[in-house]
Amino acid sequence: DAGVIQSPRHEVTEMGQEVTLRCKPISGHNSLFWYRQTMMRGLELLIYFNNNVPIDDSGMPEDRFSAKMPNASFSTLKIQPSEPRDSAVYFCASSRRLQGAANEKLFFGSGTQLSVL
Amino acid sequence: AQKVTQAQTEISVVEKEDVTLDCVYETRDTTYYLFWYKQPPSGELVFLIRRNSFDEQNEISGRYSWNFQKSTSSFNFTITASQVVDSAVYFCALSEAPSGNTPLVFGKGTRLSVIA
Repeated sequence: DAGVIQSPRHEVTEMGQEVTLRCKPISGHNSLFWYRQTMMRGLELLIYFNNNVPIDDSGMPEDRFSAKMPNASFSTLKIQPSEPRDSAVYFCASSRRLQGAANEKLFFGSGTQLSVL
Repeated sequence: AQKVTQAQTEISVVEKEDVTLDCVYETRDTTYYLFWYKQPPSGELVFLIRRNSFDEQNEISGRYSWNFQKSTSSFNFTITASQVVDSAVYFCALSEAPSGNTPLVFGKGTRLSVIA
């Protein structure tokens, strides 16, 4: 059973470039989350989707950030243009969410280490 | 608003010592879920436990145990007879669930170093 798959594992880019991070959730999971981890701020929720629909994007720092989930098996997080302060580890997580049921645990991908020079 | 505080930024212990990682949470909901995750040096986040707000029974899993106390809004994690492999960053998290499920809000984490 494959877990959450993120690509790339590492990304080094120059300021101003577009960056696209990719995520494949676990098959059968209907909720997907993007988190960002930095030393200063810890793990922050950026956006999450239920059944491919964005539910809450209030954590997206700026208009430079955008996320899509065109289908149940794929999501992207795009930063355009990137800035050095975007350097962080970006995690994708998925869960199976059933209305009225206990809150299912999140399964995390291995993360993408982004460095913007 | 929900909030999780892990006051201990870093802890170092010698192998075989017991260690407790503190977690204090804030929520206005009566229904919520608490979690602990482990992040080893490899970077991935590994689920350890989930507890709902109506279940205050402490839990033990091998060398790991969790103490949930609603009276103090705490959900502390104890590792007994620590081992070098326990070295990791440990995160406590909270999810409110008044009428559904909300994403996890994480504490800043506690970095545990177990020295041989």
